[in-house]
Amino acid sequence: AQKITQTQPGMFVQEKEAVTLDCTYDTSDPSYGLFWYKQPSSGEMIFLIYQGSYDQQNATEGRYSLNFQKARKSANLVISASQLGDSAMYFCAMRDGGGAQKLVFGQGTRLTINP
Amino acid sequence: KAGVTQTPRYLIKTRGQQVTLSCSPISGHRSVSWYQQTPGQGLQFLFEYFSETQRNKGNFPGRFSGRQFSNSRSEMNVSTLELGDSALYLCASSTGTGLNSGANVLTFGAGSRLTVL
Repeated sequence: AQKITQTQPGMFVQEKEAVTLDCTYDTSDPSYGLFWYKQPSSGEMIFLIYQGSYDQQNATEGRYSLNFQKARKSANLVISASQLGDSAMYFCAMRDGGGAQKLVFGQGTRLTINP
Repeated sequence: KAGVTQTPRYLIKTRGQQVTLSCSPISGHRSVSWYQQTPGQGLQFLFEYFSETQRNKGNFPGRFSGRQFSNSRSEMNVSTLELGDSALYLCASSTGTGLNSGANVLTFGAGSRLTVL
């Protein structure tokens, strides 16, 4: 069965610093996709970045990058130059190649950016 | 373009009642999936619909059901509500094809927050 583990329940970071949010995964499917979503207090899940299991390069989207280490089954999110608006819950999720849109989520990391 | 729209945003029900939640996907998206989010269990997959057919189902009792219409709009229904059904219900839409392509990203709505008293 697929599993996502986020070991950091909460993190506190100073504004403008870089932050790394950890995510490890477990799957026996060779084809899968990894996602990171941000959830502010309003509740909406905001897509940040995607990494496919066959992608050769680490994904980047603006200030977000994904440190994908396939052999270690880790997909850490790196936020550069953090901003106050980055304070939110962050979820790592995985979708397998089984043909349906089912995401398995981790428990999330609450990130707080201090001024 | 318009995002995923969920209605109602907030609702309060009592035990034993039933509830219907609605989700309008992004135009052109044929896949709609539903998730339940609670503090104790986190985010859990309920079911996914693609072209009016249920394509996958999570591990929830039969009280939870859904459907999708020809315009891709989807509804989910919970019958005989229990206190434990209090949760944020999130709907997500996507093209539903070309899986594990970076273009096939799930876009979520703002959710429907259900409180069962």
